[in-house]
Amino acid sequence: GAVVSQHPSWVICKSGTSVKIECRSLDFQATTMFWYRQFPKQSLMLMATSNEGSKATYEQGVEKDKFLINHASLTLSTLTVTSAHPEDSSFYICSSGGLSSYNEQFFGPGTRLTVL
Amino acid sequence: RKEVEQDPGPFNVPEGATVAFNCTYSNSASQSFFWYRQDCRKEPKLLMSVYSSGNEDGRFTAQLNRASQYISLLIRDSKLSDSATYLCAVNIDPNSGYALNFGKGTSLLVTP
Repeated sequence: GAVVSQHPSWVICKSGTSVKIECRSLDFQATTMFWYRQFPKQSLMLMATSNEGSKATYEQGVEKDKFLINHASLTLSTLTVTSAHPEDSSFYICSSGGLSSYNEQFFGPGTRLTVL
Repeated sequence: RKEVEQDPGPFNVPEGATVAFNCTYSNSASQSFFWYRQDCRKEPKLLMSVYSSGNEDGRFTAQLNRASQYISLLIRDSKLSDSATYLCAVNIDPNSGYALNFGKGTSLLVTP
């Protein structure tokens, strides 16, 4: 299957700093990528849909000014958590694929963010 | 009401047992359904897509009941390596991309 990478795999930062997470599709072009967040013992929750060359679509309750998404190329989407706070500590996962109803989505390995 | 609901478990079963998980979804317009497996602190990995006619892959059988809006996963002859969390996923809105709506997951522990 297709490969999606994420960087960094984990990050610890101080409250108030910004953290950038990269999601790359390594062997295919991804016009659409999805960003999910998972809190402990909770389900993956869709945060936003990232579209190459256009603005991201955010789910209800997700602040677009806090979670900045940039999808400048067909192989890279970035999520920047601005002014991170402890409640932003979570597991952030990107995925790509899903271009048709049964087209498999490929998930990155996730980024574990801890904000002190 | 949550859109995708699963029994969180945990299910503790002995090796060799048969175990079944159910999942219900609320959006009747959903078109595609999946079971994912997630190991601790890892990303989810696709286990099976679930088709209307039901489908089987080795020890795993998936069923879809559109009328009742639920899907199921049956695992036969459980192995220790089957221990994981199983996530039910349903596509959110076929008209705006194919992002997935996940259940909270059902935890399975297979014991010797």
